[in-house]
Amino acid sequence: SYVLTQPPSVSVAPGEPASITCAGDNIGNRRVHWYQQKPGQAPVLVIYNDSDRPSGIPERFSGANSGNTATLTISRVEAGDEADYFCQVWDNPTDSVVFGAGTNLAGL
Amino acid sequence: QVQLRESGPGLVKPSETLSLTCSVSGVSVSSGAYFWGWVRQPPGKGLEWIGTVFYTGSAHYNPSLQSRATVSVDVSNNQFSLRLTSVTAADTAVYYCARRRSGRHYLDVWGKGTTVTVSS
Repeated sequence: SYVLTQPPSVSVAPGEPASITCAGDNIGNRRVHWYQQKPGQAPVLVIYNDSDRPSGIPERFSGANSGNTATLTISRVEAGDEADYFCQVWDNPTDSVVFGAGTNLAGL
Repeated sequence: QVQLRESGPGLVKPSETLSLTCSVSGVSVSSGAYFWGWVRQPPGKGLEWIGTVFYTGSAHYNPSLQSRATVSVDVSNNQFSLRLTSVTAADTAVYYCARRRSGRHYLDVWGKGTTVTVSS
């Protein structure tokens, strides 16, 4: 089955940009979706189809996808952005939803 | 506003069957515009997709859980369900129900989740 690899953690100072990567074999040929999960809460979709933002998600959140890496970028991190972030793709051969293991975004 | 709410026993004994229900409000599960599914998260770990069902009853499953999982839809009560047989401690997790739009491959609406512990 298809495997997505994320770094376990990323640390960033408030006000600075943060990038979280999601690696997969030719992931640029797939559409990547990103979820934010705060402690004790359900995941929330923050980016879909590589770079589209659902209604209500700040413009600070953006996404890109090319080659073997997709990236979620938060342009100016706020304290409220500290959370776990999961990337996700659809695996056509098995009609399956596949998640990355998640990245914890922490403040410095 | 679309809302999903999970319900079911919080404690299940090993080897028994886990049964959960997701009640849907704000949209009909019989709408051909959506699929309905389950995702779980063991304590301190990541998200694991379990399976998804269409209103016709057609379902797809995570290959690793396919032999034990059944996702079904109850149109009359506007809800859908998960059954997971022969549970072990490894099935202890927060279980979320979620919605996927037909033709889309992301989950745009989630329930708040329900914790299930497998223990004797």
